[in-house]
Amino acid sequence: DTEVTQTPKHLVMGMTNKKSLKCEQHMGHRAMYWYKQKAKKPPELMFVYSYEKLSINESVPSRFSPECPNSSLLNLHLHALQPEDSALYLCASSQLPRGPYNEQFFGPGTRLTVL
Amino acid sequence: AQTVTQSQPEMSVQEAETVTLSCTYDTSESDYYLFWYKQPPSRQMILVIRQEAYKQQNATENRFSVNFQKAAKSFSLKISDSQLGDAAMYFCALAEYGNKLVFGAGTILRVKS
Repeated sequence: DTEVTQTPKHLVMGMTNKKSLKCEQHMGHRAMYWYKQKAKKPPELMFVYSYEKLSINESVPSRFSPECPNSSLLNLHLHALQPEDSALYLCASSQLPRGPYNEQFFGPGTRLTVL
Repeated sequence: AQTVTQSQPEMSVQEAETVTLSCTYDTSESDYYLFWYKQPPSRQMILVIRQEAYKQQNATENRFSVNFQKAAKSFSLKISDSQLGDAAMYFCALAEYGNKLVFGAGTILRVKS
């Protein structure tokens, strides 16, 4: 299985809602990532988990809260978002967080719209 | 700080022809990795090709090959025999040993039939 899956595919939420994005991989990868991507722009790194521990937080606002319950799962909890947070949220994983086996495999993304 | 520059916002190629996408980068590290990712419209980002900086030989994957010029810090992607399915946004990316990927701005490739 060489796949990273993400649910839901689409999400519409109001600014007062609480929702979660889910990402799953069964490749035995020990590093997982959240990216935010605006239309026709490159992905922007948000968080990195290495061996289930948060290793990088790119100064992301606290209304985004990541969680890594186990080595296969990554969640992104959303609360009190702003319309400018509307974007494609990509999850990725890599075999190890460092060293040669570090190519990242991306999921299809969750397209988030904040009203 | 590592940076990646893609100077071609858009490129067009005729089906079956060859096209080259440009990428330059900057890093102070000697050990790093370079990647080309492809993101079709509304579809998943996939890795096209990778190059380890310590390898002098240019990477090749079927119709995709790179021209890696380490001294010039240049990493271009050549697509031969272009197909309609090659139409996508292409991102050049650099990863230093710490594995944080830095992406270029992307190049939209259009394939004409």
